[in-house]
Amino acid sequence: AQRVTQPEKLLSVFKGAPVELKCNYSYSGSPELFWYVQYSRQRLQLLLRHISRESIKGFTADLNKGETSFHLKKPFAQEEDSAMYYCALSRSGNTPLVFGKGTRLSVIA
Amino acid sequence: KAGVTQTPRYLIKTRGQQVTLSCSPISGHRSVSWYQQTPGQGLQFLFEYFSETQRNKGNFPGRFSGRQFSNSRSEMNVSTLELGDSALYLCASSKGQYSYEQYFGPGTRLTVT
Repeated sequence: AQRVTQPEKLLSVFKGAPVELKCNYSYSGSPELFWYVQYSRQRLQLLLRHISRESIKGFTADLNKGETSFHLKKPFAQEEDSAMYYCALSRSGNTPLVFGKGTRLSVIA
Repeated sequence: KAGVTQTPRYLIKTRGQQVTLSCSPISGHRSVSWYQQTPGQGLQFLFEYFSETQRNKGNFPGRFSGRQFSNSRSEMNVSTLELGDSALYLCASSKGQYSYEQYFGPGTRLTVT
C-alpha cells in the first residue's frame, strides 16, 4: 500500500530564511503528488500539485522519483507562511488521496 | 460561490449512540469525499461518492457508512459509537470523479464520551 511520510511534526524557521518541508512516499508506480495547506482558522486547501510544476506563493516542489520524495521549498519564509502543511499522494486514476500526518511550519519574526 | 458546508459543527455523543453528519458540496460539484482527522493518525480517507454511488472506501469498520443524494449532498453515519471515534470529520467536494483539487469543509468535531 502506498504511504506518505512527513518526518517533521514541527519546523521553525526565521523570517527570510529558506524553508524545506520534507515529504517521502512509498509507491512503486508513477504517483501524483500534492501539497495541501491549512492556515490558522481556515480550511484545508490545495497549495500545489507536481503535475502543474508551478510556483504558488513562492513555494515549489519537485518530484524526485529516485529518492521517492516531493519536498516543498521556499527561498525566503514569510510570517504568513505559518500553517500546517500536508503532503498527499494518489496512485492516479480511481484511487483516493493518501495524506501524510502533516508538518506545522512556524515562521518566527 | 458558497463553499462546502458541514453540519453540525460540533457534536457530543455517548458511547453506543449513533450519529449522522451532513455535507453540502459546492454547487456543481458531484464528488464528495469524507475523511477522519485525529492527532495520532492524521487524515484518513473514509469514503468517496460520485453521482450517488460509493466509488471508494477506506479501511474503516462497517459501523461507518455514508450516502449521497441526487443533489450531491452527502451524509455519513457512525453507529455504535466508540471513544476512539472522537475526531474531526472533514468533507471535501470536487467537480468530477477522481479530481484531486478537493475543496474542504470546516469539519464536524465529534466528541464521544
